[in-house]
Amino acid sequence: ETGVTQSPTHLIKTRGQQVTLRCSSQSGHNTVSWYQQALGQGPQFIFQYYREEENGRGNFPPRFSGLQFPNYSSELNVNALELDDSALYLCASSLLGYNEQFFGPGTRLTVL
Amino acid sequence: LAKTTQPISMDSYEGQEVNITCSHNNIATNDYITWYQQFPSQGPRFIIQGYKTKVTNEVASLFIPADRKSSTLSLPRVSLSDTAVYYCLVGDLSSGAGSYQLTFGKGTKLSVIP
Repeated sequence: ETGVTQSPTHLIKTRGQQVTLRCSSQSGHNTVSWYQQALGQGPQFIFQYYREEENGRGNFPPRFSGLQFPNYSSELNVNALELDDSALYLCASSLLGYNEQFFGPGTRLTVL
Repeated sequence: LAKTTQPISMDSYEGQEVNITCSHNNIATNDYITWYQQFPSQGPRFIIQGYKTKVTNEVASLFIPADRKSSTLSLPRVSLSDTAVYYCLVGDLSSGAGSYQLTFGKGTKLSVIP
């Protein structure tokens, strides 16, 4: 059974640029969630995708957007990057309605 | 979403039992209590989940009193590798086609001392 994978591991961007982060869900899971974790804080929910549609959203602006593909892999896109977007971005897959989410190792994004 | 309160940090010696208590006074009827563990630069990892009374698995036990306003994660005989941040979360399993999100607080940083 393959776990959740994310790419890239690390990324450096400058303010105003756009970034795409990728996630491959665990086999058999139909739901993917994205979280942002700033240094010293707990992960904050960005949004969740189920059957290729957004299924819930946290308190993040529209410049944070996502996609889920038929194979349940997912992308997180962030436009007009700001310095405060520097964080660890975590992807988690699960079966809809189940509490247990399986997290990937994350992508460390640094915005200069 | 029910808010949770847990100690910011705890220290323990190797081999001791560690109990981390979480308060969730506004827990709803449909909410389950879940604990996650996170090592530095890694994603959180599910430890245990429960609704009431006691749940035990191969790594931990979870004690939930009758009023469910708090819960205690118990780690038996901790080792250095148990040094991590532990998060208590509450959430509704009956989301169906609706949204379900995990709401993390700042967690409890457990340091295991040799």
